[in-house]
Amino acid sequence: GENVEQHPSTLSVQEGDSAVIKCTYSDSASNYFPWYKQELGKGPQLIIDIRSNVGEKKDQRIAVTLNKTAKHFSLHITETQPEDSAVYFCAARSYGNNRLAFGKGNQVVVIP
Amino acid sequence: DTGVSQDPRHKITKRGQNVTFRCDPISEHNRLYWYRQTLGQGPEFLTYFQNEAQLEKSRLLSDRFSAERPKGSFSTLEIQRTEQGDSAMYLCASSPGLSANEKLFFGSGTQLSVL
Repeated sequence: GENVEQHPSTLSVQEGDSAVIKCTYSDSASNYFPWYKQELGKGPQLIIDIRSNVGEKKDQRIAVTLNKTAKHFSLHITETQPEDSAVYFCAARSYGNNRLAFGKGNQVVVIP
Repeated sequence: DTGVSQDPRHKITKRGQNVTFRCDPISEHNRLYWYRQTLGQGPEFLTYFQNEAQLEKSRLLSDRFSAERPKGSFSTLEIQRTEQGDSAMYLCASSPGLSANEKLFFGSGTQLSVL
């Protein structure tokens, strides 16, 4: 099955700086890549997703880039704010597959 | 609130007891999923329903676990004879369509602690 890995496990950034989290996946048939944000005591919240027919997608301060050849995708958060502090999970799914395979998560800490 | 709703938020039980969790998906969402999340890990797929039919189950779902979605709306997840290894966050998610290629929206989860 699909194996998704995230790096780094913890990332600390100064408020206003950018944060980048990278994920790699193993199944070349994967074609859907969402990112979720999870705050303490809450469920994962979908923040952005990308399908394999595009290389980049942006929504305000967050963006996702996909490199199908290298089988990795990244989350970019610009102008970080304290409320961006959370655990971020990447996931991958192949067409017609009912299961999302998640990475282990990245703890992002924004230092005011 | 039109999000996915889960009840209870927290459950503490003794080993060997049975527990049941409820999930109310977003209205008119056809697909409902159960995931499990342990500390420091990402969510892991357990099972999913399309309307009232349970169409796929993970190997993680032992015979002590049973899930239902009797009328194609809310769902329940029951764990019988709980074990300490069952301690985890149980997450419910729903998606709008009949396709596997839809976005998943998660609830806040039920945190289970087995003593």
